[in-house]
Amino acid sequence: NAGVTQTPKFQVLKTGQSMTLQCAQDMNHEYMSWYRQDPGMGLRLIHYSVGAGITDQGEVPNGYNVSRSTTEDFPLRLLSAAPSQTSVYFCASSQDRAETQYFGPGTRLLVL
Amino acid sequence: KNEVEQSPQNLTAQEGEFITINCSYSVGISALHWLQQHPGGGIVSLFMLSSGKKKHGRLIATINIQEKHSSLHITASHPRDSAVYICAVWEDSWGKLQFGAGTQVVVTP
Repeated sequence: NAGVTQTPKFQVLKTGQSMTLQCAQDMNHEYMSWYRQDPGMGLRLIHYSVGAGITDQGEVPNGYNVSRSTTEDFPLRLLSAAPSQTSVYFCASSQDRAETQYFGPGTRLLVL
Repeated sequence: KNEVEQSPQNLTAQEGEFITINCSYSVGISALHWLQQHPGGGIVSLFMLSSGKKKHGRLIATINIQEKHSSLHITASHPRDSAVYICAVWEDSWGKLQFGAGTQVVVTP
């Protein structure tokens, strides 16, 4: 099993550009989530999904959209990138919400 | 105010020393997680516990539900244990994991 995969590993964007961060898992997990990690802030939840077709907002959802059309994939869209979105983004999945989380390798995003 | 507090923030130990990292939380929880993140690396789940104690190799995690406190111990520490260790708790009404700020551990040869 590949586990949780994320692409790209690193991305530079200009302010106002849009992009999609990809996340996929092959463990048939129902629960998937997106976090951002900033120095001194810890991990913060952006959006999560409890199954295909169901998504909800986390604590820092502004500026991001998600969809979950399949169990495997959970892409994160930045609609109009801002410098405040410079961060490291992690996707995670688990069999259930409180269960062991499996993290992807992360995407480092720099917005100029 | 963070619901999850970790201490210490930073820790330096010599190879072979016993290391303890603490995690305190303020509400009743249903699960607590310990995670490990190596420099520039991804995040790996070490333990999930809701009571008692778990052991994996040189790592031991304990939780005291009444005192709202958990500890992660590293026995016979090694330089490869150098990482950030993160505590996270799940409380049903939150609907999400709440993370501590992490403890940076450096083990010197």
